[in-house]
Amino acid sequence: GAVVSQHPSWVICKSGTSVKIECRSLDFQATTMFWYRQFPKQSLMLMATSNEGSKATYEQGVEKDKFLINHASLTLSTLTVTSAHPEDSSFYICSANPGTSVNYEQYFGPGTRLTVT
Amino acid sequence: EDQVTQSPEALRLQEGESSSLNCSYTVSGLRGLFWYRQDPGKGPEFLFTLYSAGEEKEKERLKATLTKKESFLHITAPKPEDSATYLCAVPGASGSRLTFGEGTQLTVNP
Repeated sequence: GAVVSQHPSWVICKSGTSVKIECRSLDFQATTMFWYRQFPKQSLMLMATSNEGSKATYEQGVEKDKFLINHASLTLSTLTVTSAHPEDSSFYICSANPGTSVNYEQYFGPGTRLTVT
Repeated sequence: EDQVTQSPEALRLQEGESSSLNCSYTVSGLRGLFWYRQDPGKGPEFLFTLYSAGEEKEKERLKATLTKKESFLHITAPKPEDSATYLCAVPGASGSRLTFGEGTQLTVNP
């Protein structure tokens, strides 16, 4: 149980284009989903928290107009990197929380490697 | 502010050589402590949740324990496939935002 998928697993795009990454909870409903970014040999950096049906909450320093997050259903959240630049190249990982009152566990997707050329 | 510190930063073991990883935490109120395993190029894999001091959980060669100030991940007779980065994390006051340690990179040599 508690499986989270991401698509695509890797993507290469040209500078100036937009890229959409999908995150799905496969066997549970996720009221809250999270998007992280990870640089090589560093820990995960939280970018934003999204709750189904409401606007995402972005961490300080994360541009909300650049990283568009949509959490349209209890099993799907999407991250769109708009007008991507080489500095946006990174490993993006989502996680999902089942959302019960006592369970704060987060289950992570396999990640998406974005390379902007 | 919640703080999580992991040690050592890196650990090299020979196959079969047991050891422990440490996770020290400072939180306003513990709402669980999570251990994850992360392989290169992959997302973290959930291992354990511990909620109260004295609690222990086991999975294959791994055993996680918890005190009021720290958690240990004991690895018994490790195998090369146990090589990975092990992360611990605690949820914040709102229950959602996780504070991660920097991780321990474990290498088990055959």
